[in-house]
Amino acid sequence: EVQLVESGGGLVQPGGSLRLSCAASGFTFSNYWMHWVRQVPGKGLMWVSHISTTGSRISYADSVRGRFTISRDNAKSTLYLQMNSLGAEDTAVYFCARAYGDHHFDSWGQGILVTVSS
Amino acid sequence: SYVLTQPPSVSVAPGKTARISCGGNNIGTYSVHWYQQKPGQAPMVVIFSDNGRPSGIPERFSGSNSGNTATLTISGVEVGDEADYYCHVWDSSGDQWVFGGGTTLTVL
Repeated sequence: EVQLVESGGGLVQPGGSLRLSCAASGFTFSNYWMHWVRQVPGKGLMWVSHISTTGSRISYADSVRGRFTISRDNAKSTLYLQMNSLGAEDTAVYFCARAYGDHHFDSWGQGILVTVSS
Repeated sequence: SYVLTQPPSVSVAPGKTARISCGGNNIGTYSVHWYQQKPGQAPMVVIFSDNGRPSGIPERFSGSNSGNTATLTISGVEVGDEADYYCHVWDSSGDQWVFGGGTTLTVL
């Protein structure tokens, strides 16, 4: 069974940093592009970042570029999101997702809440 | 950046057909995916690549895509179909993935 489990969320002060992890199991992690998607509670989905199988290809949404860094450790089957210079606008539930086939997201984690507040 | 536009809400009676639109400039040239999200849950793909249906998704769910509009159609709507629905594309020109704003389906 494919499983994606996020961790590392919580409360952080404005300007602070946080690193999210997404532990994958039940599939060959190194074969799949991976993504981070976020959702402000009560609002819609927003794509954040993607990373290719080897990490050679990475992209970010404009709103996080320069502040967030996506990475992966295929040996540990884990996806990461380093978030720096956090602001209130980054408060959201963050999901990791697996991309499949024609770039649709066929598996999602349960999500982890990040709250940026003083 | 590419923009996808969905109606905020759609209401339908049980047993009827719900149609949720997703508008975008020449969206017919993109591959469109649709996700269902129920409260407190992660999204789940219900249609991929315009009209593909993952295993386990009822045949009541179908998709189409042409011109400037993609449509998710749910036939014989059930109370359990109440959820938020999002359309989604990959904009290869900017290597960006884009979601529509979401549509809340209410089964009256």
